[in-house]
Amino acid sequence: EAGVVQSPRYKIIEKKQPVAFWCNPISGHNTLYWYRQNLGQGPELLIRYENEEAVDDSQLPKDRFSAERLKGVDSTLKIQPAELGDSAVYLCASSLSGQAYEQYFGPGTRLTVT
Amino acid sequence: SQQGEEDPQALSIQEGENATMNCSYKTSINNLQWYRQNSGRGLVHLILIRSNEREKHSGRLRVTLDTSKKSSSLLITASRAADTASYFCADTGFQKLVFGTGTRLLVSP
Repeated sequence: EAGVVQSPRYKIIEKKQPVAFWCNPISGHNTLYWYRQNLGQGPELLIRYENEEAVDDSQLPKDRFSAERLKGVDSTLKIQPAELGDSAVYLCASSLSGQAYEQYFGPGTRLTVT
Repeated sequence: SQQGEEDPQALSIQEGENATMNCSYKTSINNLQWYRQNSGRGLVHLILIRSNEREKHSGRLRVTLDTSKKSSSLLITASRAADTASYFCADTGFQKLVFGTGTRLLVSP
């Protein structure tokens, strides 16, 4: 069974540029999560989707971050414009509904903003 | 931030030794999990201990949970070089994971 797929794996951009990350969850997983992991820290939740609905986006910086999961499967996280402080690893995870304790993580996208 | 605090931040041991890392939260703990993260395999789930459990074993891993102290510990026995990684605790509450700050473990041959 394929795991959570993310692309790209690495991205280097200049500040003020836009960037987008893509995630394909495990088949059948209705819940999708985006996390941000700063260097030397644990992941922190940005947004959680149940199917196509964002049910928890309280930690998403809405001035520059946006996310979508239009058909309830794949998801895209966007930053526009990027700032130096956005440099981090962006992780996507998925789970069955109501089973947040059993999340499966993708390999992440390492973003460097110069 | 709601992150849990882990200590030590870094731990360096020799193969065959045991490694213990601790995790504590300011808020109450629900079900507590431990994850391992290395560059080769990303973030991998190790073990889950539920709020009504006090101790759990899985192979060379032993986890304890003290809900009154809002803390948990992970013991890795007979460590191997392949155990070199960062270890994170994560509390499962409100349908999301709240991770700790992590312990970087280095196991030298």
